[in-house]
Amino acid sequence: NAGVMQNPRHLVRRRGQEARLRCSPMKGHSHVYWYRQLPEEGLKFMVYLQKENIIDESGMPKERFSAEFPKEGPSILRIQQVVRGDSAAYFCASSPSMGLQAKNIQYFGAGTRLSVL
Amino acid sequence: AQKITQTQPGMFVQEKEAVTLDCTYDTSDPSYGLFWYKQPSSGEMIFLIYQGSYDQQNATEGRYSLNFQKARKSANLVISASQLGDSAMYFCAMREPQGGSEKLVFGKGTKLTVNP
Repeated sequence: NAGVMQNPRHLVRRRGQEARLRCSPMKGHSHVYWYRQLPEEGLKFMVYLQKENIIDESGMPKERFSAEFPKEGPSILRIQQVVRGDSAAYFCASSPSMGLQAKNIQYFGAGTRLSVL
Repeated sequence: AQKITQTQPGMFVQEKEAVTLDCTYDTSDPSYGLFWYKQPSSGEMIFLIYQGSYDQQNATEGRYSLNFQKARKSANLVISASQLGDSAMYFCAMREPQGGSEKLVFGKGTKLTVNP
């Protein structure tokens, strides 16, 4: 049973380029979350998606960042025109269902380390 | 206001001893979930243990247990019989069901070092 798969593990971009981060949730999971971790910090929530729907994007910067979780294929976090401040580890998590009754554990991928030169 | 507070930036423990990592939280919602994750130097985030606000008993998972004190709003992680492989960052997180969102709010973490 494969876990949450993120690729690439490391991504290097020059300022102004685009970064695309991919996340395939665990089998049977229909909820995907993206978090960002700056050095020496905890994870900060960015966006929560279900298939074809954005449920909560309250942590997403208003410009340059977008996320999708299409009916088929992985979830994509897209950062346009990257700047040095975007350098961070980006984690994807997935869970099977909603609600505290279901525990709804979020299982994380290994992350994508984005470096902007 | 910080919702999750981990007051110990770093902790040291001898191999085979027990260690407690502190976590306090702030919420006015009666329904919430508390989580602990481990992040080794390789970088991945590993789920350790979960405690629901309505759970009657403290959660346990192998060598991990959660000392849940609801009135104090604390959810300390206890690791028994520490092993060298336990050296890692440990993050406490909370989920509140606000508006249908399932987002986790994380603390800043505690770096645990297990000495031989």
